[in-house]
Amino acid sequence: QVLLKQWGAGLLKPSETLSLTCAVSGGSFSVYYWTWIRQTPGKGLEWIGEITQSGNTNKNPALKRRVTISMDTSNKQFSLQLSSVTVADTGLYYCARGGASDQWGQGTLVTVSS
Amino acid sequence: EIVLTQSPGTLSLSPGERATLSCRASQPLSSSYIAWYQQEPGQAPRLLVYGSSSRATGIPDRFSGSGSGTDFTLTISRLEPEDFVVYYCQQFGYSPYTFGQGTKLEIK
Repeated sequence: QVLLKQWGAGLLKPSETLSLTCAVSGGSFSVYYWTWIRQTPGKGLEWIGEITQSGNTNKNPALKRRVTISMDTSNKQFSLQLSSVTVADTGLYYCARGGASDQWGQGTLVTVSS
Repeated sequence: EIVLTQSPGTLSLSPGERATLSCRASQPLSSSYIAWYQQEPGQAPRLLVYGSSSRATGIPDRFSGSGSGTDFTLTISRLEPEDFVVYYCQQFGYSPYTFGQGTKLEIK
């Protein structure tokens, strides 16, 4: 059974960098795209971006300048960094598998507050 | 960016009834790139249907998807008590992938 387990800091101050990692277990890593999605009170579900099997990334233009997505194939992990966070970045962040996301992490609540 | 508009915002029905949830896209989409999710309180979304009409693994056959062009539908043939949660559509054909704002299914 595929399991996505994510972790990272949950409380940030404005201008800091959000950093989350997602580890994949119980299934193949190298044949899928891996995705980051967030859920905020203001915008609902918002696709942040994805990383392909070859390490290419596709990001939401609204966040593109601040987003870095990377992966560590040997450890079956992928990561999200979002720089210069503001209060508007407060929300639940999820890692997931694929464009039609059939496996999700448990979610990380990120709060940005001074 | 493709905007997905779901209707109604809230749907009030009784267990055993049939539910029809709508998702309209701001421009035509291939049905191959439409997905529907169910989200229970405090949980991550769960994939129900993808490619407009294919059920994800383990999803009961009372859930079905259809549609083409700009209009897509999720149908729940006979509502069970656990179905009264929130549903989202998503398009993953054009970047940035986008979600609808959700339909809440509530018990009448």
